[in-house]
Amino acid sequence: NAGVTQTPKFQVLKTGQSMTLQCAQDMNHEYMSWYRQDPGMGLRLIHYSVGAGITDQGEVPNGYNVSRSTTEDFPLRLLSAAPSQTSVYFCASSSLAGGGEQYFGPGTRLTVT
Amino acid sequence: DAKTTQPPSMDCAEGRAANLPCNHSTISGNEYVYWYRQIHSQGPQYIIHGLKNNETNEMASLIITEDRKSSTLILPHATLRDTAVYYCIVGGGSYQKVTFGTGTKLQVIP
Repeated sequence: NAGVTQTPKFQVLKTGQSMTLQCAQDMNHEYMSWYRQDPGMGLRLIHYSVGAGITDQGEVPNGYNVSRSTTEDFPLRLLSAAPSQTSVYFCASSSLAGGGEQYFGPGTRLTVT
Repeated sequence: DAKTTQPPSMDCAEGRAANLPCNHSTISGNEYVYWYRQIHSQGPQYIIHGLKNNETNEMASLIITEDRKSSTLILPHATLRDTAVYYCIVGGGSYQKVTFGTGTKLQVIP
């Protein structure tokens, strides 16, 4: 049981490039979410999903796209990277039938130059 | 979504109990209180949650006031490895959109 996995661990992009951050969970959790954490700040919700085919926006969705074609995977796409998107990105999952506690991945550290 | 208020930092002597307060005066009836912690830059780790009653697990205890407007996370015997940022958040149930604040930075002192 690997829990929540994220790839890559580190990434450097140039302004304007696009990329996809991968997130997978093997706990059959319905709920998955993406957060970003800027230095010295708390986590801010980007997008979330309550099941395959269902996604919704969080606090800071601009510049990011998501899709949920399977229960296990929830990729986050940066459409045209900007320096303001330099951050650490965390993916999380939880069971809607449980108490709602979220399990987080180890994070992806993204730098946009 | 209800918001929470936590002190930005606290110190605790190693071996003593660490009591971390959280105010959530706008919490609604079906919202849970959750506590997470983040060590260095790792992913946040779930600690405990509750709705109305006090809760205890192997990591900590959660005390929720009767009016549910505030709560306290108790680490009974703090160790150096408990040094972390602790987040109190409300939400959950069938609606999972939650907001993390900036948390309390707990420093356990030898």
